[in-house]
Amino acid sequence: SAVISQKPSRDICQRGTSLTIQCQVDSQVTMMFWYRQQPGQSLTLIATANQGSEATYESGFVIDKFPISRPNLTFSTLTVSNMSPEDSSIYLCSVEDWSGNYGYTFGSGTRLTVV
Amino acid sequence: QKEVEQDPGPLSVPEGAIVSLNCTYSNSAFQYFMWYRQYSRKGPELLMYTYSSGNKEDGRFTAQVDKSSKYISLFIRDSQPSDSATYLCAMRGSIQGAQKLVFGQGTRLTINP
Repeated sequence: SAVISQKPSRDICQRGTSLTIQCQVDSQVTMMFWYRQQPGQSLTLIATANQGSEATYESGFVIDKFPISRPNLTFSTLTVSNMSPEDSSIYLCSVEDWSGNYGYTFGSGTRLTVV
Repeated sequence: QKEVEQDPGPLSVPEGAIVSLNCTYSNSAFQYFMWYRQYSRKGPELLMYTYSSGNKEDGRFTAQVDKSSKYISLFIRDSQPSDSATYLCAMRGSIQGAQKLVFGQGTRLTINP
């Protein structure tokens, strides 16, 4: 299955600043997904990133707050902009993985705390 | 009403017990059902995958899907302390296109030695 490297693994940031999270996959994938997991909550899809096109955002998430880049088939970034304490969460990237199972592989996540 | 409902627990059982984890859902278009295991400070890892109704067994784990009742289950036999984790059910519609994965809230499970 695909292996995903995500960094940073954690960060503590001041409110009003921005953080860019990187996601590197060891194989070429068409779609990459960004999720948010708030404390004690499930995973919520932020956006889907296709290479060569604008990311598609889910209801409640906007590009100005969560700009995404997808420069090639193995890499994507998610920026959390103008952060507030409410943005404290775990952010995860994911790819569809058809090697044997119709499942999705996740990175290990970025634990963000905004103070 | 959430699309996928999962009892968040926490659930604590003694080692060796049979564990039953469950999710209900409301969207009849869901066809692909997954269970993920998430250890603390790690990303979710795919544990079981099932298409449509039926059972699937993998070692100590059995996944069941009852589409008529919109109900899925994960059974863990001979539970081990290493099974202590949060278990998330997830599901999606047609494999074609960009159907998004919808997750349950996750059940935090502790297996006590």
